[in-house]
Amino acid sequence: DTAVSQTPKYLVTQMGNDKSIKCEQNLGHDTMYWYKQDSKKFLKIMFSYNNKELIINETVPNRFSPKSPDKAHLNLHINSLELGDSAVYFCASSQGPNVLTFGAGSRLTVL
Amino acid sequence: DQQVKQNSPSLSVQEGRISILNCDYTNSMFDYFLWYKKYPAEGPTFLISISSIKDKNEDGRFTVFLNKSAKHLSLHIVPSQPGDSAVYFCAASPEPGNQFYFGTGTSLTVIP
Repeated sequence: DTAVSQTPKYLVTQMGNDKSIKCEQNLGHDTMYWYKQDSKKFLKIMFSYNNKELIINETVPNRFSPKSPDKAHLNLHINSLELGDSAVYFCASSQGPNVLTFGAGSRLTVL
Repeated sequence: DQQVKQNSPSLSVQEGRISILNCDYTNSMFDYFLWYKKYPAEGPTFLISISSIKDKNEDGRFTVFLNKSAKHLSLHIVPSQPGDSAVYFCAASPEPGNQFYFGTGTSLTVIP
């Protein structure tokens, strides 16, 4: 039973489309995150939610909108996709001041 | 601006020898450091941590050393095993529970 699961694992789409990536954790953690790993392998935080409330919002285009319906889920919706959005997106969770548990990643390719 | 740097993108080591992976950081406020290991098509998994009150933390074959004055930490794996072949990321935070900043990773290959 996967602790942090993301769907889809792979996503190929055209520029201008809107897409969503879903994330669920069954660890009972109170904080969830989205990280982006770009082509230079740089793993950078995008958003963090604690108990459904946004606590970290890095400099990310407002085409990216996270949604947390409950503390076990954090979805990422991306509008008007651009070529530069191609990356691997990792969801993660943690319980308070503790280490992050990552999902397997979702590889987004924008053509 | 990248606050955590791993300047060696790759490292090859013979099985049984020591692997040393290095990490440098620029922010003197960083107080808590983690190492993660990542296999292809999987997410990073936590390996070992160290806080600034210590200069060494050991867990089995893995030891992390912290030199705060040099803003440098290293991960030692002894003895290295083929199953250790993976990408290793270091991460730093001003305090536990705060935002983590990651390096770009070092790809370790352990040759049988």
